[in-house]
Amino acid sequence: DAGVTQSPTHLIKTRGQQVTLRCSPKSGHDTVSWYQQALGQGPQFIFQYYEEEERQRGNFPDRFSGHQFPNYSSELNVNALLLGDSALYLCASSPGQGSQTQYFGPGTRLLVL
Amino acid sequence: GQQLNQSPQSMFIQEGEDVSMNCTSSSIFNTWLWYKQEPGEGPVLLIALYKAGELTSNGRLTAQFGITRKDSFLNISASIPSDVGIYFCAGQRLYNTDKLIFGTGTRLQVFP
Repeated sequence: DAGVTQSPTHLIKTRGQQVTLRCSPKSGHDTVSWYQQALGQGPQFIFQYYEEEERQRGNFPDRFSGHQFPNYSSELNVNALLLGDSALYLCASSPGQGSQTQYFGPGTRLLVL
Repeated sequence: GQQLNQSPQSMFIQEGEDVSMNCTSSSIFNTWLWYKQEPGEGPVLLIALYKAGELTSNGRLTAQFGITRKDSFLNISASIPSDVGIYFCAGQRLYNTDKLIFGTGTRLQVFP
């Protein structure tokens, strides 16, 4: 049973560029959440997707957008990259109903130069 | 962004010692979770707590959901070198798909 997978593992971009990160949820999970983890801090919630719609959103600007596909996989897009966007981006999946909580992927390390 | 208060910030202990860490919030949570994160990896779920006062064990790990619903505790007994990592608490206010609010983390170092 595959867990949550993310791609790519590492990425280097320059300021002003755009980036797309990808996530495949754990088998049987239909809800995907994205988190940003800056160095030395705990993860911060960006947004959550369920049934291909954004269900919740954290305190992140509109430069951060996402998408969920019919197979429940998800993308995180960040436009007009800033140096401060350098972080580990984590995807977590959970079932839409039931008692299971969120399980995380290994993350994508983004470096903005 | 909002983060829960977690203490201690770091711990340096000898193999075989017991470890205690805690997490506090000004808000009530309906779910408390404890995750462990190792370098270059995502957080791994250790224990999930769903009811005030609940005490749950996972091997040498024991966690408790505080009675006030504003705090949680994690204990590790007889620590071993592979316990090294950063331990995060996380709370959920509503249902299990609600966003997670994380603590600031406790970095654990175990010396042989």
